[in-house]
Amino acid sequence: GEQVEQRPPHLSVREGDSAVITCTYTDPNSYYFFWYKQEPGASLQLLMKVFSSTEINEGQGFTVLLNKKDKRLSLNLTAAHPGDSAAYFCAVTPYDSGYNKLTFGKGTVLLVSP
Amino acid sequence: NTKITQSPRYLILGRANKSLECEQHLGHNAMYWYKQSAEKPPELMFLYNLKQLIRNETVPSRFIPECPDSSKLLLHISAVDPEDSAVYFCASSPGTGTGNTLYFGEGSRLIVV
Repeated sequence: GEQVEQRPPHLSVREGDSAVITCTYTDPNSYYFFWYKQEPGASLQLLMKVFSSTEINEGQGFTVLLNKKDKRLSLNLTAAHPGDSAAYFCAVTPYDSGYNKLTFGKGTVLLVSP
Repeated sequence: NTKITQSPRYLILGRANKSLECEQHLGHNAMYWYKQSAEKPPELMFLYNLKQLIRNETVPSRFIPECPDSSKLLLHISAVDPEDSAVYFCASSPGTGTGNTLYFGEGSRLIVV
């Protein structure tokens, strides 16, 4: 089955620096990709949903890159600020799993210090 | 996010029975229970579509889900074990087809003493 490896598990950056989180997946049929943000003690909030057909996806203060050849998904936070401190999870689902089967990465805890 | 509400938010249990409740106001057909242990990603426990249980992952029999209507989901827990200490998230999506976006509730934190 699908396996998703997320790196790094922990990341510390200073305010204004960029932060990059990467997920690699194994199933070439993977088609939908998600990034969720989870602040301490809170729920998971959807950051972005990415389709297989789009390689570069711009959000507010971040960019999601999809490299299908290398089976790699990355979240690039530009000019991080303390409010970005949270756990981030990628999730991957194939095109035809029969049901909405998300495989999550193990998460990255990001700390942005002033 | 107040569109998916869960109760209770915190629960401290010995070997007792308790139920977690979830209600979504998004008009979604699919509802899920996920378990998130410390420093781990969420793991699917159960998936309902229009009140029908369609996925039941490998979950101990002391966890029994119930879906009284398409907007409500319950999780009955009996004789909890310390390994059950975790946050239990309810989630919903418009449908169960692959690619549907999951929206998560606030979570119910279960502490087994």
